Amino acid sequence: DGGITQSPKYLFRKEGQNVTLSCEQNLNHDAMYWYRQDPGQGLRLIYYSQIVNDFQKGDIAEGYSVSREKKESFPLTVTSAQKNPTAFYLCASSGQWNTEAFFGQGTRLTVV
Amino acid sequence: QKEVEQDPGPLSVPEGAIVSLNCTYSNSAFQYFMWYRQYSRKGPELLMYTYSSGNKEDGRFTAQVDKSSKYISLFIRDSQPSDSATYLCAMSLYPIYNQGGKLIFGQGTELSVKP
Repeated sequence: DGGITQSPKYLFRKEGQNVTLSCEQNLNHDAMYWYRQDPGQGLRLIYYSQIVNDFQKGDIAEGYSVSREKKESFPLTVTSAQKNPTAFYLCASSGQWNTEAFFGQGTRLTVV
Repeated sequence: QKEVEQDPGPLSVPEGAIVSLNCTYSNSAFQYFMWYRQYSRKGPELLMYTYSSGNKEDGRFTAQVDKSSKYISLFIRDSQPSDSATYLCAMSLYPIYNQGGKLIFGQGTELSVKP
């Protein structure tokens, strides 16, 4: 089945720790995105990548980092510099001629 | 003022009702309009996509765009309990690939359809 796989589904982080969220797609899409969703707010763009080895900051990139070493993979690291990391994180991808984004099932990150 | 405003609800209707979900926006340059459905603890899935003004129908769902009023709507006919979800409107200036995934989302409306 083609799709976007995010792991883990739930993640707990201690104060001061970095954690990495995984996102893999087998749709052969060039572009991949990370969004953050908070209760009562829409999705906000963290980072995006339109091609391997290249990525751009979105609206709320502070405290996050990404890499794009392979077309299929776009991991997101939530660093200790992110002061309010508890949220639902969504990875998405789109092909060159797509007009919409396809989303994974999300990772819920909680700081304990 | 947010670029896209959406009434967060929650909205509760009886089974079979017609549901109207709405978003207003401030940027008149938006051309691409989408509605996503998101079940609890899941990723959003695309329901409807519309370019520029007009109506689009798909089964029980109808999307309307009124660019002169900067207002978009999603109508659900004969609503079912399985329609219970959060509905997110989204819009963009260009096709998503051409502008780095810059979809602007509304806050989402939580809908509950009671049997």
